[in-house]
Amino acid sequence: GDSVTQMEGPVTLSEEAFLTINCTYTATGYPSLFWYVQYPGEGLQLLLKATKADDKGSNKGFEATYRKETTSFHLEKGSVQVSDSAVYFCALSAQETSGSRLTFGEGTQLTVNP
Amino acid sequence: EPEVTQTPSHQVTQMGQEVILRCVPISNHLYFYWYRQILGQKVEFLVSFYNNEISEKSEIFDDQFSVERPDGSNFTLKIRSTKLEDSAMYFCASQLGIYGEAFFGQGTRLTVV
Repeated sequence: GDSVTQMEGPVTLSEEAFLTINCTYTATGYPSLFWYVQYPGEGLQLLLKATKADDKGSNKGFEATYRKETTSFHLEKGSVQVSDSAVYFCALSAQETSGSRLTFGEGTQLTVNP
Repeated sequence: EPEVTQTPSHQVTQMGQEVILRCVPISNHLYFYWYRQILGQKVEFLVSFYNNEISEKSEIFDDQFSVERPDGSNFTLKIRSTKLEDSAMYFCASQLGIYGEAFFGQGTRLTVV
């Protein structure tokens, strides 16, 4: 079945550091890929998405590129801020095989220190 | 900005009791979902609901679980006889269309004692 694997966390960085959170997936169809973010005390919010190979999703300085050849969708940000501290979830939706439901990775806790 | 609202934020219940988790999706959305996250584990799909019926459910969603949209606004998840292993954060989500963005509520933390 479909699955998503994220790099093990938690991740702790200093402000203005470069961020990479790795995400790889397994899917039999052609999934859409997502990054969701959960700030403390809040629900999951869509951060960015990509719906086909080589698409780049971007939002709030975060980027991720859909790499079909490596089945990856790594999240990057060039300079993190304290306000980026949250839990980040990689997810996929493979309509051909699993309808519109989302399959999530484990989540990565990011803490950014001033 | 429209949002998905879940109540209560935290529910404590005794094993064997019935519990109902409530969600108010975004008003013009058509697709509704429940997910759960057991502490330290992945967010897992439970069920999707469209046109007043279940469109898909996972193997987790057994006979102890049910969903309904009783009044066209609320979307509820009922667990008939709770077990200790039902303790988790439960998230409701709604989407305008099948390929649209899923909007999530802030979650209900269910603790079964």
